[in-house]
Order: sequence, then structure tokens, then C-alpha cells
Amino acid sequence: SAVISQKPSRDICQRGTSLTIQCQVDSQVTMMFWYRQQPGQSLTLIATANQGSEATYESGFVIDKFPISRPNLTFSTLTVSNMSPEDSSIYLCSVDGGLRETQYFGPGTRLLVL
Amino acid sequence: GDSVTQMEGPVTLSEEAFLTINCTYTATGYPSLFWYVQYPGEGLQLLLKATKADDKGSNKGFEATYRKETTSFHLEKGSVQVSDSAVYFCALRLFSGGYNKLIFGAGTRLAVHP
Repeated sequence: SAVISQKPSRDICQRGTSLTIQCQVDSQVTMMFWYRQQPGQSLTLIATANQGSEATYESGFVIDKFPISRPNLTFSTLTVSNMSPEDSSIYLCSVDGGLRETQYFGPGTRLLVL
Repeated sequence: GDSVTQMEGPVTLSEEAFLTINCTYTATGYPSLFWYVQYPGEGLQLLLKATKADDKGSNKGFEATYRKETTSFHLEKGSVQVSDSAVYFCALRLFSGGYNKLIFGAGTRLAVHP
């Protein structure tokens, strides 16, 4: 299994500002994923990030709001832009463990927007 | 479409009680099935998995059997502990759009009291 770290672990932000979340993996992986978990809710996939190509966004999520970078095989960033209180959530990155495995998750970034 | 349905929580039990959390799924093809656990303030951890019909996944005293005929993957534990208090997510994995995609249930909160 992969070891995944995220920065920051939590943050409190003002509305209208942006926050960039970093995700670092201890091994090279092809696919990385970003999820949102709103308070008391399940996980919703925001986008899938392949190294060297643009991220693929799920319905309801757009690049202008959640730009993603994937500069190499061990790192990705998710930016939450022009934040509002509705963006208060836990944001998790994950990696695909391969054909017979599942996805492995980072510890999450807890974001509170005031 | 593909989906996962879990029993609603919270589930409240006394220590050493028997636990069942129901999970059923709808999917085209033959998905792999997973249970994830989220302890308070932490990210998601893989608890157990089953990749084909009649497989039994087990870990830390928890078990779940992949039942194709009833499209179910119920989580069980014979004797719960206070430390098992967490949110449990059932998920299925299928290959869609060129990558492995996870679909999560809504989550079931378990509270175990001494």
C-alpha cells in the first residue's frame, strides 16, 4: 500500500480567498483522485488527475473552482478557489493501488470557511 | 446507475455486542467490494475487501461476504469494542472511463459504549 501525506491538515479561511492543498505519495502512481466529504456526508469524487494531462472532473465540479496540478508521478495539488462557507469540507486525495487493489487515502485536509 | 446503499445510523451498541451493518449494491458487471473505516478526526482506512462472489474479507475481527445472489456485502463483528466507534463506509469499485472508480455508500456511524 502507498503512504500518502497531505498539507495542510486543517485550515480556517475567509470567504473569497483560495487554498491550495498538497498531496504527496511515497511511490510513483499513475492515477490520483481528489474527493470532498461534506460534514456528515459520504465521499464525492471531484476529479481524477493523470500525470501529464488535464484532470477529468466529475459532474458538478469545474476547473475554475477546483484547479488541479499533477506535475509528476508522486505529487498533486488541489486549489479551492473563491471560497464560500459551503466549501467547508474534508478534502482527501487518494491513489489507485492497481488492478487487484483499491484506492488508498490520505489523512485529509479539514477546511472551514468563515 | 451503479450505487451502494447502507443502513442508516447511528448504530449504538454496548461493548461485546454483535454488530451487523447492512450494505447492498447495484452494479453492472462484477465489481470488487470494500469496507472502509473513518475514525474520529482521521482519513479513510481500508478495513477489508472481496473481489469476487463468495469471497470473505476479514480484518481486525470484522468480516463481510460477497453475496452475488443478494447483491450484498454486510459487515459483521462478533464482539465490538469501544475502539471500534467510527464511521463505516461500504464501497464498490468498477472500471469506468478508463480507470477504477470507487462509489461509496452514505456511511454508518457506530457508537460503542462501555
